[in-house]
Amino acid sequence: EVQLVESGGGLVQPGGSLRLSCAVSGFAFSDHYMDWVRQTPGKGLEWLGRSRDKDNSYSTEYAASVKGRFTISRDVSKNWLYLQMNSLRSEDTAVYFCTRAPGGIFTGFYPEYWGQGTQVTVSS
Amino acid sequence: DIQMTQSPSSLSASVGDRVNITCRASQGITNYLAWFQQKPGKSPKSLIYAAAVLHSGVPSRFSGSGSGTEFTLSINSLQAEDFATFYCLQYKAYPITFGPGTRLEIK
Repeated sequence: EVQLVESGGGLVQPGGSLRLSCAVSGFAFSDHYMDWVRQTPGKGLEWLGRSRDKDNSYSTEYAASVKGRFTISRDVSKNWLYLQMNSLRSEDTAVYFCTRAPGGIFTGFYPEYWGQGTQVTVSS
Repeated sequence: DIQMTQSPSSLSASVGDRVNITCRASQGITNYLAWFQQKPGKSPKSLIYAAAVLHSGVPSRFSGSGSGTEFTLSINSLQAEDFATFYCLQYKAYPITFGPGTRLEIK
């Protein structure tokens, strides 16, 4: 069974940093693209970025709104996905989800499985 | 960026009804379109990918159609557990973008 469990959310001051973690299990972590997505009542669902699979050297893509501030990385030995968030702003307040894309290229790469989410609040 | 719109933004229906939700892309995305269902307090769940392919375990009363810029999610014979918010998503190009959602409520 595919399981994605996020952790690390909380309250942080504007300008601060936070690292979210996603523990993955039930599948071959190296073989799948992984995305981070966030959700706010006002802006809805927003894709933040992607870590490609081992065959693509875990290369990354980012949304313009977080590029240069957020970094996605993996610890493949421990089956963890991370989202390092720096220079946080009030508008980064959201529920953050870790997601997994299907394996293989025929289906395309979309957020197939989702974790339960972790709340991040940026406020002084 | 590819903008995704959905209509209607909200919809009231009864158990047993058939409903259609439309998703439009600001430019052609062939069939790189997915649909998700989200219930309050829960994470989104995959329903359909490649515009028309049901995710494993999704009931056959759900179906998807369309290509290019216009897509439809149809739900036949609505069940009580189907009432939720539905989102489309395009994964043709970066950044991946979501529609704003359609809230399906019980009449």
